[in-house]
Amino acid sequence: GEEVAQTPKHLVRGEGQKAKLYCAPIKGHSYVFWYQQVLKNEFKFLISFQNENVFDETGMPKERFSAKCLPNSPCSLEIQATKLEDSAVYFCASSQSAGVSPLHFGNGTRLTVT
Amino acid sequence: AQKVTQAQTEISVVEKEDVTLDCVYETRDTTYYLFWYKQPPSGELVFLIRRNSFDEQNEISGRYSWNFQKSTSSFNFTITASQVVDSAVYFCALSEALNAGGTSYGKLTFGQGTILTVHP
Repeated sequence: GEEVAQTPKHLVRGEGQKAKLYCAPIKGHSYVFWYQQVLKNEFKFLISFQNENVFDETGMPKERFSAKCLPNSPCSLEIQATKLEDSAVYFCASSQSAGVSPLHFGNGTRLTVT
Repeated sequence: AQKVTQAQTEISVVEKEDVTLDCVYETRDTTYYLFWYKQPPSGELVFLIRRNSFDEQNEISGRYSWNFQKSTSSFNFTITASQVVDSAVYFCALSEALNAGGTSYGKLTFGQGTILTVHP
């Protein structure tokens, strides 16, 4: 498709439950990025992929967070045992090589942990 | 380390006024990309422009224009004849360009955002 598709749009989880977010990058884009937006304005980089390989995971919390991009499947971001502070909007972005395409974001998934 | 500063937290203008949003960045990289994104109240991030570090030509797109000044590490954004629909949070962002089997964006460093409110 021509847009980055993120599902679900909203996700509510009780503290301690698992949350799984999905991202289908634009067709032909080999790079995928995940960002967390907390408090409306602050963006935090989480992880990036080149195809199914982790490219940069320096932003991923060491515990509870994991991500995958498998062939022929949407990419996923999973949070085990969610905490209140995980409440945020999670954005996914994709691109071809930097010289070719801009970085387009999906509409985000709003995760609320209660 | 990379840093992006949007010193204006909030700007309020009346429709048809021109408004400039400031963005100052810091990086040690020689090759990098600068972006502007718009985040309307509905929450999505709308791509506005990408500029690479080797292209200092200013750009105009309709009512939008961008002034890239490498000498002052600034990438300012001007909206001419603002409209109510321009009300949003605007983010400036910086990414290094990496080479690892292909040129890729490094992680984006975002500014804090500028809340623009355009009153009728």
